[in-house]
Amino acid sequence: DTEVTQTPKHLVMGMTNKKSLKCEQHMGHRAMYWYKQKAKKPPELMFVYSYEKLSINESVPSRFSPECPNSSLLNLHLHALQPEDSALYLCASSQEGAGELDTGELFFGEGSRLTVL
Amino acid sequence: KQEVTQIPAALSVPEGENLVLNCSFTDSAIYNLQWFRQDPGKGLTSLLLIQSSQREQTSGRLNASLDKSSGRSTLYIAASQPGDSATYLCAVINYGQNFVFGPGTRLSVLP
Repeated sequence: DTEVTQTPKHLVMGMTNKKSLKCEQHMGHRAMYWYKQKAKKPPELMFVYSYEKLSINESVPSRFSPECPNSSLLNLHLHALQPEDSALYLCASSQEGAGELDTGELFFGEGSRLTVL
Repeated sequence: KQEVTQIPAALSVPEGENLVLNCSFTDSAIYNLQWFRQDPGKGLTSLLLIQSSQREQTSGRLNASLDKSSGRSTLYIAASQPGDSATYLCAVINYGQNFVFGPGTRLSVLP
C-alpha cells in the first residue's frame, strides 16, 4: 500500500472559520510533510514532521497550525485565513525524517483544494 | 542554495513521438532525484526515483537518467500517448536538506 489519503478533497471556508485538513498514511513512514501549491507553480514546503516532532516550519503564518497525533496521521488546522491562502494543500510522506541520510522516495496524497472567501 | 530548472516549460507533440524532458540543478551533491507526474488539480504521482549512486532508472515507457557531475537529469518518454498529457516535475534532495522542486514541464500529447 503506497497510499497517502487526504480529506476533505475540497473545502470552502470564510475568513472567520476554523477548519482542519487531515492526512493519513499506513506505509510506516516516519516523515510527513505539508506543501502548498498555487496554480502552475511547484509545491512549496510548509512543515515537516519527523518521528512525530515538528522539525521544519518554513516561516508559515500562525493561522496555519500543524499537528501530528501519531506516526500515521497529520493534521493542518486553519483559522482566520485570507483569500490568498486559497490553494491546493498537499500532504506527503517518506520513509525517514528530514536530515537523515536515508531519505527516500516521497509519496503524495491527492490534495485538498481550499477556497477562502 | 539548490536551484532546479526544467526545460522546456511546455511541450506539445503528436501521439507516438519519443520525447525528452530536461531537469538541471545547481548543487551536484544530491542524495537522490525524483520525477513526478501531476494531472490538473491532482496530487503528485511518483514516476521514478534515482539515487545518487545510480545512473538511470526505467519503468515501462519511461527512462530517467542522472548525470550528477553536470547537474542534469533527463526523462525519456517512448511512444507518447494522449494519456501522458500532464505536468512533469523533477525534485532533488541534498544531504541534510529537503526536496527542491523544479517548475515543471507541461506536456500535451495530441491524438
